[in-house]
Amino acid sequence: TQLLEQSPQFLSIQEGENLTVYCNSSSVFSSLQWYRQEPGEGPVLLVTVVTGGEVKKLKRLTFQFGDARKDSSLHITAAQPGDTGLYLCAGTPPIIEYSGAGSYQLTFGKGTKLSVIP
Amino acid sequence: DSGVTQTPKHLITATGQRVTLRCSPRSGDLSVYWYQQSLDQGLQFLIQYYNGEERAKGNILERFSAQQFPDLHSELNLSSLELGDSALYFCASSARVSGGPYNEQFFGPGTRLTVL
Repeated sequence: TQLLEQSPQFLSIQEGENLTVYCNSSSVFSSLQWYRQEPGEGPVLLVTVVTGGEVKKLKRLTFQFGDARKDSSLHITAAQPGDTGLYLCAGTPPIIEYSGAGSYQLTFGKGTKLSVIP
Repeated sequence: DSGVTQTPKHLITATGQRVTLRCSPRSGDLSVYWYQQSLDQGLQFLIQYYNGEERAKGNILERFSAQQFPDLHSELNLSSLELGDSALYFCASSARVSGGPYNEQFFGPGTRLTVL
């Protein structure tokens, strides 16, 4: 079973500060996805990273996939109250681990709950 | 709006009862996934259907079952409910059954189940 550990679990910062959230595993993933979830809502996909060392930017959010494809980070610059939410990472196993039916499931971390205080 | 719909939004029932949660995937998506989210366990994969057939099983209890109908909507049946089954249940859909890393899933708004 592949596990994803996210840290920190909780983060409370002032508006305008920078922050980094981490997603780590001892297993290799063929890709990692980041989702954001607001209370009472379903997770919303932010980005998918596929290549080791890949960096993707989404406005003030920067996502990086580790060289060994075992970890990922999310950096937010100048956080705003609208960034408040639960950030989840989810990994896809390497293709050789797909089940015989050709299907696989996403493994989710437990998330980082971010609060940005105005 | 992800395009995935779930009903009902909230469900309150008693222990021992049976409930059915419904999900309609995004137009054109053939894969449907069910997840359970509780405070201590995070988002746990339950089961996946692709075009009417079961494709993968996760941590789904024997008291739980699901199916996907010809019109691609899916239902999750929870029976002999226990207090510990109280959670958020999400449905997600994707265009692919598998096929590489870009298995991007789109989540519905969830059903909050409370078992009293």
